[in-house]
Amino acid sequence: QSALTQPRSVSGSPGQSVTISCTGTSSDVGAYNSVSWYQQHPGKAPKFMIYDVTKRPSGVPDRFSGSRSGNTASLTISGLQAEDEADYYCCSYAGSHILVFGGGTKVTVL
Amino acid sequence: EVQLVESGGGLVQPGGSLRLSCAASGFTFSSYWMHWVRQAPGKGLVWVSRVDSDGITTSYADSVKGRFTISRDNAKNTLYLQLNSLRAEDTAVYYCAKRGAPNEYYFDSWGQGTLVTVSS
Repeated sequence: QSALTQPRSVSGSPGQSVTISCTGTSSDVGAYNSVSWYQQHPGKAPKFMIYDVTKRPSGVPDRFSGSRSGNTASLTISGLQAEDEADYYCCSYAGSHILVFGGGTKVTVL
Repeated sequence: EVQLVESGGGLVQPGGSLRLSCAASGFTFSSYWMHWVRQAPGKGLVWVSRVDSDGITTSYADSVKGRFTISRDNAKNTLYLQLNSLRAEDTAVYYCAKRGAPNEYYFDSWGQGTLVTVSS
C-alpha cells in the first residue's frame, strides 16, 4: 500500500495550463480504470473532480481533464483561474477493495 | 442533497480508544459502500477503511489493521469507526466518504471531518 507519487507543487499564470502527474505501478494506476482526482481548499473537505481516469462529474468545469499513460495518470487544468489554487490528490484502486492516494500537489496561480 | 456529518473526535491519550460516527442523509444509505479517509495535520489524504452496503465485508489500510474497526447501522443511517490502541501518528482529521456508484472506486461526497488528537 505505497502512496502514489505526485509533484509537491506546480504553478501557472491565469489562463495557462498546468498538468499534475500521478505515478503508481502496474498493480494500481496501470491495472484499473479507477483513478480519481480531488481538489481541496485550505480547511475544507475534498471535492470530487475526475473519476474513472477521464470522466468529469456534472458541475465540474470542462477545463479540468484527466488522462493516463501506462502507470501514470494526469490531471490537466486548462485556462487556469484564481479559484483553482488548491491542493489536488489522485486516488487509485489497488485491488482487494483497497485504495491508495497520492501525496498531493499544491497548485499555485501566479 | 447528500450530507455526511462526522462526530466523536477529540483528545485521547496514547493507547486509548475513541469511536467516530458519521450521520448520513439525502441518499439511500443502505445502498452504498462507505469509507473513512484521514489527513494528518499539514499532510495528505490517506485511505483508512471501507465497509460494504450490508456491513458484512470490510477492508483496512495496513497501518490500522487490527486496531480500527469499521461498522454501520443502516437503520440509523450511521457509519462508525472504532479506534483502539491509538498512537500519536493516528492524529488526523477523519473524513467519512460515500462511494460514487456500485462497482466503482471513487468518493462522490465527503463530510467535513472530525479531528482526533492522540497526545499525553
